[in-house]
Amino acid sequence: EVQLLESGGGLVQPGGSLRLSCAASGFTFSNFAMNWVRQAPGKGLEWVSVISGSGGRTYYADSVKGRFTISRDNSKNTVYLQMTSLRAEDTAVYYCAKGEFVVPAVMGGMGVWGQGTTVTVSS
Amino acid sequence: QSVLTQPPSVSAAPGQTVTISCSGSSSNIGNNYVSWYQQLPGTAPKLLIYDNDKRPSGIPDRFSASKSGTSATLAIIGLQTGDEADYFCGTCDDSLSAAHWVFGGGTKLTVL
Repeated sequence: EVQLLESGGGLVQPGGSLRLSCAASGFTFSNFAMNWVRQAPGKGLEWVSVISGSGGRTYYADSVKGRFTISRDNSKNTVYLQMTSLRAEDTAVYYCAKGEFVVPAVMGGMGVWGQGTTVTVSS
Repeated sequence: QSVLTQPPSVSAAPGQTVTISCSGSSSNIGNNYVSWYQQLPGTAPKLLIYDNDKRPSGIPDRFSASKSGTSATLAIIGLQTGDEADYFCGTCDDSLSAAHWVFGGGTKLTVL
């Protein structure tokens, strides 16, 4: 069974840092791009970042560019989101979601989502 | 303000049919595949439709979707109380950075 399990969320002060992890199982991890998508309380979905299967290509939403870094360790079947200079508006549930190709693509949609991890930025 | 526009809410009685619209532009829906996601209360989003009109295995054929120009539509026939959820459309926007996904604001479906 394909599964994604996020961890690393928590309460952090404005300006602080946090690293999220997403552990994957049930598929050949390196063959698929991975996304991070967030959802602020009571709001819709906002795409954050994507990384290709090899890790060689990364893309970011303008709202997080320069502050967040996506990476992956294919030997550990895990994708990460390093978040720095956190702001109140980064407060959200963060989901990792599996792409359907090794490169970032709209084809196939985001087929599998984790249960999410909550990040709260507050003093 | 979301790049893709959806109605905030729709409602219908059990057994009826409901449609949810998703409006965009030539740089997103007009030039890319659309996918739809169902988010039941308190849970993660789930892929419902991909590539405009394809259903993943396990998704009932009560759910269908189409795309025309810069708009897409999700249809649910034979509504069930278990269909009460938020529904989001998503695609990529070529005017933004590469592989930049955009979503609609979501539509809350109430089954009366």
